[in-house]
Order: sequence, then structure tokens, then C-alpha cells
Amino acid sequence: GAGVSQSPSNKVTEKGKDVELRCDPISGHTALYWYRQSLGQGLEFLIYFQGNSAPDKSGLPSDRFSAERTGGSVSTLTIQRTQQEDSAVYLCASSPSRLGAFFGQGTRLTVV
Amino acid sequence: QQQVKQSPQSLIVQKGGISIINCAYENTAFDYFPWYQQFPGKGPALLIAIRPDVSEKKEGRFTISFNKSAKQFSLHIMDSQPGDSATYFCAASGNTPLVFGKGTRLSVIA
Repeated sequence: GAGVSQSPSNKVTEKGKDVELRCDPISGHTALYWYRQSLGQGLEFLIYFQGNSAPDKSGLPSDRFSAERTGGSVSTLTIQRTQQEDSAVYLCASSPSRLGAFFGQGTRLTVV
Repeated sequence: QQQVKQSPQSLIVQKGGISIINCAYENTAFDYFPWYQQFPGKGPALLIAIRPDVSEKKEGRFTISFNKSAKQFSLHIMDSQPGDSATYFCAASGNTPLVFGKGTRLSVIA
């Protein structure tokens, strides 16, 4: 497809389980972002990848959160030992430069 | 620290009216200011963006006004339509990832 693809679109998990969220960016985009959006709230920055540079992890809320980007393309956001406060929509975006970002539809994570 | 402050939180406008959403920033290193539109259940979509070397940019019914000295920028939606009802986010970036305002929920009523 032409846009940013995220999977799964919905994920329900039990508290304490680990989850992996996947993002397929637009082909050729060097920048990739992860944001979190809680119900009715703004976008909280999590992590930013730009080319081969070290990722900007300054937004990760705890060491339970990690992300990697393989081969400069697909990215996986991993949340270990999920907590109820992790419930949110996780949005991935990619960009051909540091200007602008094109978002996927998001993964709605529910921790029960 | 909230780097981009957006107001109002919610806005109700009559069909055909002008919707105005304002944002202010502190970081003078910001040099790119986009606006995003988000419908329920969808990801944000890039609507229009401006660089600080111009004071205004217009695309169709959407206009960004930028005041560099005041560190403020705003989105104007002319002839607002019910289909414009959505949440709008301003954002800014420099040598940093995009930071977003908290959003404005716009409702355009007939």
C-alpha cells in the first residue's frame, strides 16, 4: 500500500503480558516516529528514528517500553509487563525528512 | 513542559462561518509548523504546514497565519462545513521530533 501500515489494528491483552506492535512505513521514508494517544488526549511522543542515527528515545515512559527499526524500514514497539495505564492508541508515522509526518491508523491497545 | 500550547480545547461554529484555532510556542529553534486533522478512529492527517520565512499560507479554505515575533500561529478555516468537524492539532519541530498541541475539537453545526 501507499500509506503507513500498522498491525494489529486492535489488541487486547492481559495485565502483565508483553505485546509487540508493528509499523510498516512508507517506502523510502527515512524518519519514523511512535506516538501514544490516550482517549480524547493529544499525541505523546515516544521514540524517533532517523536514518542510521541513534534513535531519540527521550519520550519512552519507562524501561518497559522499547522499539527497534530493522533495515531502516519496519519498526516494532514492544511493551513488556503491560499495565492498565498502557491502554491507548499507538500511532506510527513516517517522513521523507524531518519535516512533516504521515500517520498510520494506529493500534488500539487495551490492557485488561 | 508543554512546548506547544493550543486553544481553544473545543469550538462550535455555524456552517459557513470561520473557525480559528491558535497555537503558541516557546522554542525559537522550531522552524516547521504543520497542522493535522483527525477524524474519530483514524490517524492524524497532514492538512497544511508553514515555515517561518512566510507570514501566511493558504490552501483552499485553510489558511495558516504565522507571527514569528509573537511565537504564535493559527489555523483559519473559511466557510466551515459539517465535514470539517474533527479534532485539529498544531505541531512544531526544529532539530527535534514533532511536538503536538493538545488538540481542538471542532464541531460545525448546520
